Amino acid sequence: GENVEQHPSTLSVQEGDSAVIKCTYSDSASNYFPWYKQELGKRPQLIIDIRSNVGEKKDQRIAVTLNKTAKHFSLHITETQPEDSAVYFCAPSTGNQFYFGTGTSLTVIP
Amino acid sequence: NAGVTQTPKFQVLKTGQSMTLQCAQDMNHNSMYWYRQDPGMGLRLIYYSASEGTTDKGEVPNGYNVSRLNKREFSLRLESAAPSQTSVYFCASLRQGAYEQYFGPGTRLTVT
Repeated sequence: GENVEQHPSTLSVQEGDSAVIKCTYSDSASNYFPWYKQELGKRPQLIIDIRSNVGEKKDQRIAVTLNKTAKHFSLHITETQPEDSAVYFCAPSTGNQFYFGTGTSLTVIP
Repeated sequence: NAGVTQTPKFQVLKTGQSMTLQCAQDMNHNSMYWYRQDPGMGLRLIYYSASEGTTDKGEVPNGYNVSRLNKREFSLRLESAAPSQTSVYFCASLRQGAYEQYFGPGTRLTVT
């Protein structure tokens, strides 16, 4: 199966600063690269995703970049706000199955 | 639309007891999934069903069975619960040809 690693495991930033989380994967057949946000006690929710034929995608303050050659993709959050505090998961997929990383706990300090 | 629903929300079992976790979706999705989430472990796939009548093992299937009762419902059964099965269980569904998973609210299970 897919081997997924996510770094860092914890991240603290000052409000207004940027945050970057990196996900590396092992299966070159992976073709879908999502990021999920999970608030405490809640279900994971998709915040942004990218397909294998695209290098970057942006949605307001969040962006995802993909390097298929190096087998990694990253989540970028700019102008962080306290409500961005949550656990973020990557979950690369080859189609039917999704392989979740172990999560990054982001804390935004007001 | 209710989306993906799960019952119960919380459950406490004694070692050796059995129970079934229920999941239903009203979005006419083909694929459904059961995950467990343990602290610091992310979500791990237990079983999935790509379509009605089919089920496949995921990463951690031991100790569990599943039934895809119809297109809407996908249940997870613990025949003889063990403390190692204490976890939060999430069900998810996926539309054919799409990639976005929709998750249920989760079931928090404690086995003593």
